[in-house]
Amino acid sequence: QKEVEQDPGPLSVPEGAIVSLNCTYSNSAFQYFMWYRQYSRKGPELLMYTYSSGNKEDGRFTAQVDKSSKYISLFIRDSQPSDSATYLCAMYSGGSNYKLTFGKGTLLTVNP
Amino acid sequence: EAGVVQSPRYKIIEKKQPVAFWCNPISGHNTLYWYRQNLGQGPELLIRYENEEAVDDSQLPKDRFSAERLKGVDSTLKIQPAELGDSAVYLCAIGGGQTFNEQFFGPGTRLTVL
Repeated sequence: QKEVEQDPGPLSVPEGAIVSLNCTYSNSAFQYFMWYRQYSRKGPELLMYTYSSGNKEDGRFTAQVDKSSKYISLFIRDSQPSDSATYLCAMYSGGSNYKLTFGKGTLLTVNP
Repeated sequence: EAGVVQSPRYKIIEKKQPVAFWCNPISGHNTLYWYRQNLGQGPELLIRYENEEAVDDSQLPKDRFSAERLKGVDSTLKIQPAELGDSAVYLCAIGGGQTFNEQFFGPGTRLTVL
């Protein structure tokens, strides 16, 4: 079992839909949880990060972390065609351990 | 992405040939990472530098891969000889977050080994 599991999709939704992306993990030491967006032929760019459990909102994006279930989510409201990309979850334990562990990524297409 | 320049962007070689990738980050970032991203997978760490020192190279296949970071700024990653399974995107990232380990990725070098 990999440390971080993420459904690779692909996921196709109409413009304006609410999108839910999820990851599960097995390492209880993970404390920092991130979502990266990666457009085709580009490097990943950070969308949001959350420390420990809880919710965080930034515009149309909401990140949720449930450490008791080892489950994290990213919600995209009012999705736009420009949101079409691969979304990668990533996490690390913190302190001197800098190593990011990524999920496989979910390919999202938002259709106009 | 604007903070990290990688070259070349694409490289096609035959197996057993050597290949090198370059990473040119903006100055002032002590931490530099090399990742490999296989098709349909997330990036996996190969090596992490703090200034000139490789502080985590446990995932680097040292029989064929080597890396260096001269003067704590630019870095090169080399594969010699390349194998078919090395086909992937090689990403360079710099670290610089104040409150957490935010990493800024370059666009990557897409390697195809024939």
